[in-house]
Amino acid sequence: EPEVTQTPSHQVTQMGQEVILRCVPISNHLYFYWYRQILGQKVEFLVSFYNNEISEKSEIFDDQFSVERPDGSNFTLKIRSTKLEDSAMYFCASSESPRIEGRGFFGQGTRLTVV
Amino acid sequence: DQQVKQNSPSLSVQEGRISILNCDYTNSMFDYFLWYKKYPAEGPTFLISISSIKDKNEDGRFTVFLNKSAKHLSLHIVPSQPGDSAVYFCAASGNTGNQFYFGTGTSLTVIP
Repeated sequence: EPEVTQTPSHQVTQMGQEVILRCVPISNHLYFYWYRQILGQKVEFLVSFYNNEISEKSEIFDDQFSVERPDGSNFTLKIRSTKLEDSAMYFCASSESPRIEGRGFFGQGTRLTVV
Repeated sequence: DQQVKQNSPSLSVQEGRISILNCDYTNSMFDYFLWYKKYPAEGPTFLISISSIKDKNEDGRFTVFLNKSAKHLSLHIVPSQPGDSAVYFCAASGNTGNQFYFGTGTSLTVIP
């Protein structure tokens, strides 16, 4: 079965540093998403991306965050100046159609630890 | 603002019995619901979905029931198997976009 891959699996960074989380969505998917889960809390939507632009974003996704699809395969999430509260699991997902339609494929996540 | 709630953080069930996981939502604009299963150190995996035009959807051992008037959905697993032990998330969206709201999850343990 095709899968979404995320790298790295674990990233430790100092507060104030920039981090880039990488995702390779499933090749024929057109819609891409980032979610995060702070330890012990719910999975939260960050942003959705389609046709090389953000289609929807949450309040969490402020100016410190950006997403990019730099080439035909990667989908990245950048946090410009990390804060302690950015520590979380970050999940990338992709789908063929909007609203995931039940077949949203999630990556295994990147655990970001900000120290 | 917790728009999707899973009030039971954990559930234990004997192998072979039925597992019932519950989910409540507050936003009447939600019209599409999903259940995901998550193992430790893995991303959520899709289980089953239901749109608001239905009140039941079945896929093998998994059945999701939707009660729109009560803003409640449930996932039934019959029969439960030890491999079903995982955290189950319910998620909901409205027709305004791609944003899904997740519950906090219920940790299911199926006892052999």
